[in-house]
Amino acid sequence: EDKVVQSPLSLVVHEGDTVTLNCSYEVTNFRSLLWYKQEKKAPTFLFMLTSSGIEKKSGRLSSILDKKELFSILNITATQTGDSAIYLCASPKETSGSRLTFGEGTQLTVNP
Amino acid sequence: DAGVTQSPTHLIKTRGQQVTLRCSPISGHKSVSWYQQVLGQGPQFIFQYYEKEERGRGNFPDRFSARQFPNYSSELNVNALLLGDSALYLCASSSTGTGPGGYTFGSGTRLTVV
Repeated sequence: EDKVVQSPLSLVVHEGDTVTLNCSYEVTNFRSLLWYKQEKKAPTFLFMLTSSGIEKKSGRLSSILDKKELFSILNITATQTGDSAIYLCASPKETSGSRLTFGEGTQLTVNP
Repeated sequence: DAGVTQSPTHLIKTRGQQVTLRCSPISGHKSVSWYQQVLGQGPQFIFQYYEKEERGRGNFPDRFSARQFPNYSSELNVNALLLGDSALYLCASSSTGTGPGGYTFGSGTRLTVV
């Protein structure tokens, strides 16, 4: 059975701190790993990673995949209170990409 | 352009009752997937429909059923509600049913079973 595990489950930091969120996976026929941000209800897409060692970057957020060690990290630099959210990683189960296996999520709280 | 819309946004039901949740995908999207997110956990896959046919089913009991209509909107039905069915139910749509990066999630229906 496919498995995605995130750590830590919760994290409290101060504005300006840098955080690293972890995601490990055991997925048959691995194709990609996805990161989502969930602020209130709807998860919003952040990154899709398919190639090992290639960093994806968007503003203060960046992510990288290690296919040998089966993990990914999401970095957020100079955190802001607006970064407070649940961060989810997920991997598609089937070649059609129809079914996402999610981790438990990391609840990030950024205090002013 | 409207995103994925779900209704209702909140719902309170009593144990044993039945509930129907609705989802309208982004215009032109033919695939709809349903996920259950219990508080403190990640979303769990329930169903995927593409072109009105079921493409996948997660590990949920037969009390859960769904369908997709000719206009690609979808309904999720849950019978004989249990307290453990209390969760946020998310709908996601995509144009092809593939390419997870292309999925857009709705804001969900918060179901509380008392």
